[in-house]
Amino acid sequence: RKEVEQDPGPFNVPEGATVAFNCTYSNSASQSFFWYRQDCRKEPKLLMSVYSSGNEDGRFTAQLNRASQYISLLIRDSKLSDSATYLCVVKGGRNNDMRFGAGTRLTVKP
Amino acid sequence: DGGITQSPKYLFRKEGQNVTLSCEQNLNHDAMYWYRQDPGQGLRLIYYSQIVNDFQKGDIAEGYSVSREKKESFPLTVTSAQKNPTAFYLCASSVGQGRRNTEAFFGQGTRLTVV
Repeated sequence: RKEVEQDPGPFNVPEGATVAFNCTYSNSASQSFFWYRQDCRKEPKLLMSVYSSGNEDGRFTAQLNRASQYISLLIRDSKLSDSATYLCVVKGGRNNDMRFGAGTRLTVKP
Repeated sequence: DGGITQSPKYLFRKEGQNVTLSCEQNLNHDAMYWYRQDPGQGLRLIYYSQIVNDFQKGDIAEGYSVSREKKESFPLTVTSAQKNPTAFYLCASSVGQGRRNTEAFFGQGTRLTVV
């Protein structure tokens, strides 16, 4: 079983749609959680950290459920520029390792 | 400007040769990581290091070696034992365990092609 499992996608949505990505992790000792965005042939860049209380950054909302070991990302009012691959990241399980989900590809169409 | 630098951006290797990928950071980060990404797939952890002179194997360490002689540097050697080395290699760094704001920052990556 992979340490981080993520919806494989792809997601193809129209502009203005709301889309949700989900991720589960297996190591209950994990301490830090993030969503990264990766554009084609580029390095991943931090989108937002994920906190137990939930957090919002503009159109993006991230949630963490430690009991279920589940992370989510909600994107509202999708823009063409949101098209990318979204990666969930889990950190700090053993020796501060950092593991990625396989990524979910999002394409927003006009 | 602080950041993390990988070099070279593109690298071609003949079969049977070892090759070393460079990763340098001036962010004063304790932790450094190496990942491999194949087309259409996620990042797989090769090796990681929390402090100088210490490192741990990730999920796909076979055929790779690393060293951490300086805090700023974490080079990755792809050896001839790695059967399918053609991939996109990404290096990352972050503050150490137990610290806040522990997000990782990435270099721009090295595309390795075996010819």
